Amino acid sequence: AQRVTQPEKLLSVFKGAPVELKCNYSYSGSPELFWYVQYSRQRLQLLLRHISRESIKGFTADLNKGETSFHLKKPFAQEEDSAMYYCALSNTGGFKTIFGAGTRLFVKA
Amino acid sequence: NAGVTQTPKFRILKIGQSMTLQCTQDMNHNYMYWYRQDPGMGLKLIYYSVGAGITDKGEVPNGYNVSRSTTEDFPLRLELAAPSQTSVYFCASKAEWDYNEQFFGPGTRLTVL
Repeated sequence: AQRVTQPEKLLSVFKGAPVELKCNYSYSGSPELFWYVQYSRQRLQLLLRHISRESIKGFTADLNKGETSFHLKKPFAQEEDSAMYYCALSNTGGFKTIFGAGTRLFVKA
Repeated sequence: NAGVTQTPKFRILKIGQSMTLQCTQDMNHNYMYWYRQDPGMGLKLIYYSVGAGITDKGEVPNGYNVSRSTTEDFPLRLELAAPSQTSVYFCASKAEWDYNEQFFGPGTRLTVL
């Protein structure tokens, strides 16, 4: 069965500290993986996707098929990174997406 | 280009009442979705559609119905509202090719008392 697990509901770090939001998945085929972010009073929006191998707002995520993980990392957290982060998995073909429960990141000054 | 719009923004229903949550997108996306977001539970897929006239159940379809008569519109119908349906509902759309992002609406906050 498809499943996305985000083990931390809340992650609190100090400004300037490294941050890692964990995501593990269960999928039998070749998954399409994404990170979405929801800032306060804003819509849920795409942060990055594994296929692009890009860095957005200093965040990166590497797909590790051996460990079935897609952790989101940033070397130096900023206060404006405080938000709700969702890891998401789409089936091959991309028409159906499963979201994890989300991790709320709080960056303290 | 308004993207994905949802109405209403807020609604309070009494147990047993029914209502329709409206969702419209102007990006000519074939794929559309309805999710509910419960506190601490993340997003759960209720129904989705891969094109006009085609719908399918997601993870939590019970108590809901959908239709997709046009590419633009994907209304979600609640029949016989129950307190367990108190949630924030999000509509989203996506172009049909792989790795494309979903675009979300602003959400509808529904309370059933």
